[in-house]
Amino acid sequence: DIVMTQSPDSLAVSLGERATINCKSSQSIFFNSNYYLAWYQQKPGQPPKLLFFWASTRQSGVPDRFSGSGSGTDFTLTISSLQAEDVAVYYCQQYFSAPITFGQGTRLEI
Amino acid sequence: QVQVVESGGGVVQPGRSVRLSCVASGFTVSRFSVNWVRQAPGKGLEWLAVMSFDGSNKFYADSVKGRLTIYRDNSKNTVYLEIDNLRPEDTGVYFCAKDLADERVEEAFDIWGQGTVVTVAS
Repeated sequence: DIVMTQSPDSLAVSLGERATINCKSSQSIFFNSNYYLAWYQQKPGQPPKLLFFWASTRQSGVPDRFSGSGSGTDFTLTISSLQAEDVAVYYCQQYFSAPITFGQGTRLEI
Repeated sequence: QVQVVESGGGVVQPGRSVRLSCVASGFTVSRFSVNWVRQAPGKGLEWLAVMSFDGSNKFYADSVKGRLTIYRDNSKNTVYLEIDNLRPEDTGVYFCAKDLADERVEEAFDIWGQGTVVTVAS
């Protein structure tokens, strides 16, 4: 199984500052010019919300202060200027092969 | 409006079975793969199973393989998940999630339901 490891487990960032969350896959998730990597945001009491797929393609409606990047086995979710509504737990996910696996989550706080 | 709605959760005794339903609207389950994901209280996301859009492939998480069965009823546009021999550690919120693109299996999940809660307790 592909193991997804996020860092840090929790993060506190001031409003307006940059937040960076990392995700590392235990093996390559690259095929046909695409990284099979997604990012989700989950707020308390809500289902996860898709933010990025193919590592860097922003889902419709996601603010452009969010960006996804990465290569090889290392990926990053960046929030350029943290807003209060960004407080949530963030998960990375590989969908390269079954079983699909998620990172353990990163809790982002103000 | 594209959405999925889960149901079937509740309090179930250890050793019993439960069948969860995921009713899709705004899309047809015969064109999109549908997944089940669970979340134990205060924990992260755990993918459980997927049924491919064409019904030809079903994949399960190793941790629960042998106790899960995923299937669907195209006439009801519904995907089901049966969990046998329930254990206390199966307690959690069970989400249904639709694949982003049609007629594929390896995809991110763009539409999630609100989830249905399963509590395994005597």
